[in-house]
Amino acid sequence: SQTIHQWPATLVQPVGSPLSLECTVEGTSNPNLYWYRQAAGRGLQLLFYSVGIGQISSEVPQNLSASRPQDRQFILSSKKLLLSDSGFYLCAWSVLTGDYGYTFGSGTRLTVV
Amino acid sequence: AQTVTQSQPEMSVQEAETVTLSCTYDTSENNYYLFWYKQPPSRQMILVIRQEAYKQQNATENRFSVNFQKAAKSFSLKISDSQLGDTAMYFCAFMNGNTDKLIFGTGTRLQVFP
Repeated sequence: SQTIHQWPATLVQPVGSPLSLECTVEGTSNPNLYWYRQAAGRGLQLLFYSVGIGQISSEVPQNLSASRPQDRQFILSSKKLLLSDSGFYLCAWSVLTGDYGYTFGSGTRLTVV
Repeated sequence: AQTVTQSQPEMSVQEAETVTLSCTYDTSENNYYLFWYKQPPSRQMILVIRQEAYKQQNATENRFSVNFQKAAKSFSLKISDSQLGDTAMYFCAFMNGNTDKLIFGTGTRLQVFP
């Protein structure tokens, strides 16, 4: 069966520090991968998506970047965090067509102080 | 651009009763999919139900059913026999069949009271 792992679960980082959140998928090949951010009291905002190794599409200009070094690994990064980067970050995957919806990871709560 | 609107920030219902959560969307596409996701306090996103736009029949999953009105671009979720475990944030989501990107509404917080 397919599983998705996301870590860390919580993170407190000072302003200006770097960030690296990792997401891995097991039990499937060539998944579509997604990073979403959920700000407090708001819906989910799509940040990045990837349809293959090294293929990253950005939805929102921001302080963050994403990479996909391996087929089932998706990394969200920042060189210098801002206060506004605080939020709940969710990784998700879907089969090629995506029309059966996404499967989400358990999320990372990031607090920038 | 497609948008999803959930006009009810909060709802409450008594255990065993029925509640309906509203969702409207805007698109010019004909090929799309609609979803309801549940996010309990654990923050895990759980797929509740999906609807294919080309199907007229409303989707049903046990106590959960939808009222899909394509012409009105409305996609409401009905929860029957509400249970305490239904307490969660509920998100309506839209997917263009050509892009595979999910667009979410802002969510409705549902509280089920004993």
